Amino acid sequence: QKEVEQNSGPLSVPEGAIASLNCTYSDRGSQSFFWYRQYSGKSPELIMFIYSNGDKEDGRFTAQLNKASQYVSLLIRDSQPSDSATYLCAVTFTGGGNKLTFGTGTQLKVEL
Amino acid sequence: GAVVSQHPSWVICKSGTSVKIECRSLDFQATTMFWYRQFPKQSLMLMATSNEGSKATYEQGVEKDKFLINHASLTLSTLTVTSAHPEDSSFYICSARGLAGADTQYFGPGTRLTVL
Repeated sequence: QKEVEQNSGPLSVPEGAIASLNCTYSDRGSQSFFWYRQYSGKSPELIMFIYSNGDKEDGRFTAQLNKASQYVSLLIRDSQPSDSATYLCAVTFTGGGNKLTFGTGTQLKVEL
Repeated sequence: GAVVSQHPSWVICKSGTSVKIECRSLDFQATTMFWYRQFPKQSLMLMATSNEGSKATYEQGVEKDKFLINHASLTLSTLTVTSAHPEDSSFYICSARGLAGADTQYFGPGTRLTVL
């Protein structure tokens, strides 16, 4: 069973702080990793993807990938109340035919 | 770019009727489209993978005769829920993967189905 694990939260951070969201996956051969944001009642919205070990930055967001530890994270700098949402980690597994396997998501609350 | 639309955004129907949901990629050609279902406070569950011009591949436990998928063109896939029952009430979301988009999937806004 290929799995993607996330802490369901809620993770509460004050406005302006750094939010750190974590995700582990079971298949060492996984190649593609995605972070989606989902507001309540809405569909997921792609934040960023990462394929290589290391950091990838896009505005206030940084994705970090460590394939040896089978760990991917998302950092959100200068968190805003509008960042309050559920963040979904998704992974494509080897032999999975480009299908995404989603974690259960981490609920982030940014407090004023 | 990479906009995916769904229609309708919500639908209420009587038990036993069939409902068709459309998924369109508006500004790119989608070789593959995916259909997901999401129940309240749960994550997305993949129902099926749809490739243009071929039969859909269904995930284990998903009834292909109940959830009919057609992917007739590179910009349109449809999901028909046949003989819907209250337990089929859910949030149905499609996603599309483009020709040069690697594994990236772009999601439509979803269709909320309520079966009375």
